[in-house]
Amino acid sequence: EPEVTQTPSHQVTQMGQEVILRCVPISNHLYFYWYRQILGQKVEFLVSFYNNEISEKSEIFDDQFSVERPDGSNFTLKIRSTKLEDSAMYFCASPLGGASEDTQYFGPGTRLTVL
Amino acid sequence: DQQVKQNSPSLSVQEGRISILNCDYTNSMFDYFLWYKKYPAEGPTFLISISSIKDKNEDGRFTVFLNKSAKHLSLHIVPSQPGDSAVYFCAARGGSNYKLTFGKGTLLTVNP
Repeated sequence: EPEVTQTPSHQVTQMGQEVILRCVPISNHLYFYWYRQILGQKVEFLVSFYNNEISEKSEIFDDQFSVERPDGSNFTLKIRSTKLEDSAMYFCASPLGGASEDTQYFGPGTRLTVL
Repeated sequence: DQQVKQNSPSLSVQEGRISILNCDYTNSMFDYFLWYKKYPAEGPTFLISISSIKDKNEDGRFTVFLNKSAKHLSLHIVPSQPGDSAVYFCAARGGSNYKLTFGKGTLLTVNP
């Protein structure tokens, strides 16, 4: 199984605080995706990112969210001012072959708890 | 707007028997379908996929069947093993948009 890593595994924050979730996708890939899963619900698409630009985003991905590639291997998802309803598991995914149409492999997730 | 539906929230089978998990979709633009397995507090793990140009794909104990006219796919696991106990998600994508749309998942329990 190709390895996609995410840190931290669990983040607890107060409402209104900023959080940054990190992902290291499959090596040297330009595509990656962020998804989230609220407890008991389905996995939902947030945003896709290609070559340092957002290629598509969902309705969930409002102005409070941003994605960046701060260096060659790491990608981040930032939530500027967290709300209670942002509590969820956040997954990044990377296509196996590096092309957008390849099967997406998921990281282990970050559990975000907003108090 | 449930474009991908898994109508059975749970399924329980005996070890050694066949597990059949079902998935329906409504979006005619979907042309590629995937099944993921997920344990609690872990990310989804890819199992098997099928393109809309096929009606069957097999990988070991796992077989996925696609009925395009009915907009229905199913995952067969045979023989089922206790280690298969997990939540199974059906996912779909279509056109030039490669984002995945997931169903709500089916919790499979395989009893020894």
